[in-house]
Amino acid sequence: QSALTQPPSASGSPGQPVTISCTGTSSDVGNYNYVSWYQQHPGKAPKLMIYEVNKRPSGVPDRFSGSKSGSTASLTVSGLQADDEADYYCSSYAGSNSYVFGTGTKVTVL
Amino acid sequence: QVQLQESGPGLVKPSQTLSLTCTVSGGSISTGSYYWSWIRQHPGKGLEWIGYIFYTGNTYYTPSLKSRIIISIDTSKNQFSLRLSSVTAADTAVYYCARVGFAELHDAFDMWGQGTMVTVSS
Repeated sequence: QSALTQPPSASGSPGQPVTISCTGTSSDVGNYNYVSWYQQHPGKAPKLMIYEVNKRPSGVPDRFSGSKSGSTASLTVSGLQADDEADYYCSSYAGSNSYVFGTGTKVTVL
Repeated sequence: QVQLQESGPGLVKPSQTLSLTCTVSGGSISTGSYYWSWIRQHPGKGLEWIGYIFYTGNTYYTPSLKSRIIISIDTSKNQFSLRLSSVTAADTAVYYCARVGFAELHDAFDMWGQGTMVTVSS
């Protein structure tokens, strides 16, 4: 199981959108609609932001949205805010009762 | 509101066994709606799924660690535990326990403990 590939960094100005990609294979992202996204601030535990590709848990702003095409999933944060500056990780069910995380993307609000 | 809390030694000697416990409060660990998982994060690195357990005791482990891991559950104490044997410096990490959706929030880690740093050093 190899980690899902994410860009190391992404950035945007306040109010602008930023999109993060998460590339897997036909064994994980490409085969299951069980992709989730997590936000992690320094020194804190990850927080679920998106599940099942494009669903938001209660309390997560609708500025956060998810999508998937083939073996690549994406997280878009529209209307960037200062508190959105954090590390973001994707995760996918990978079959055989296993999971794989992405390499992580550091989002900077310029 | 369900909360998870990890506990255990912060320092483990090389070749010994790392043992951590996750205490679940605010809800039953015996619900059939969730798996109970361990995840770790090496310093400055990404997240690594370790394994999970169902309330029935069924376990599933990541292949790379499978030979050294035991995850167990104690429903009477609303706790589940991780044992990682023959540790080396490469096992130094923050260890998180987390809840994984099964019936809802399918295969998403929706609740996390705060994490506990474990250092492997003599």
